[in-house]
Amino acid sequence: AQTVTQSQPEMSVQEAETVTLSCTYDTSESDYYLFWYKQPPSRQMILVIRQEAYKQQNATENRFSVNFQKAAKSFSLKISDSQLGDAAMYFCACSQGGSEKLVFGKGTKLTVNP
Amino acid sequence: KAGVTQTPRYLIKTRGQQVTLSCSPISGHRSVSWYQQTPGQGLQFLFEYFSETQRNKGNFPGRFSGRQFSNSRSEMNVSTLELGDSALYLCASSGDSLHTEAFFGQGTRLTVV
Repeated sequence: AQTVTQSQPEMSVQEAETVTLSCTYDTSESDYYLFWYKQPPSRQMILVIRQEAYKQQNATENRFSVNFQKAAKSFSLKISDSQLGDAAMYFCACSQGGSEKLVFGKGTKLTVNP
Repeated sequence: KAGVTQTPRYLIKTRGQQVTLSCSPISGHRSVSWYQQTPGQGLQFLFEYFSETQRNKGNFPGRFSGRQFSNSRSEMNVSTLELGDSALYLCASSGDSLHTEAFFGQGTRLTVV
């Protein structure tokens, strides 16, 4: 069975600074996909970034990048130049196999201080 | 392009009643997944439908059921409601290529009293 662990229930960062959110996962599959989703107070989940496990290169989307360490089963999210709009719950998730099922971590609440 | 629409947004039900929640996916998406979100358990997968067939199912009791119609709209039903069923129920739709992006609705907040 897959498991996803986020060890930081809450994090805070100053506006314009950089913050890293941690995530570890466990899966017996060799082919899987990793995601970071953001859930602002409006509740609608939005995809932040996606990583295919077979790709060694770390995914990047503008100010968001990941550090994917396959051997360590670690998938951290780095947010650069943090903005007030980045404040939200961030969920790490994993999917595999012939299904869209996502297994989520418990989430990290990110506060951005002006 | 319209997003994922969930109705109703809020619902209050009494213990023992049943409830039906609806999800209209993005046009062209045939995969619909349902999740239950609670403060204690986080986000838990309920089930996934693809082209009217249940493709995967989570570890929930049989009181939780779902279905998908030929237009890809999906409903989930919870019978004999319990207080612990109070949660935010999220629906997500995806395109035919697996493991790309799931588009979520705003959810239905169910309160059982």
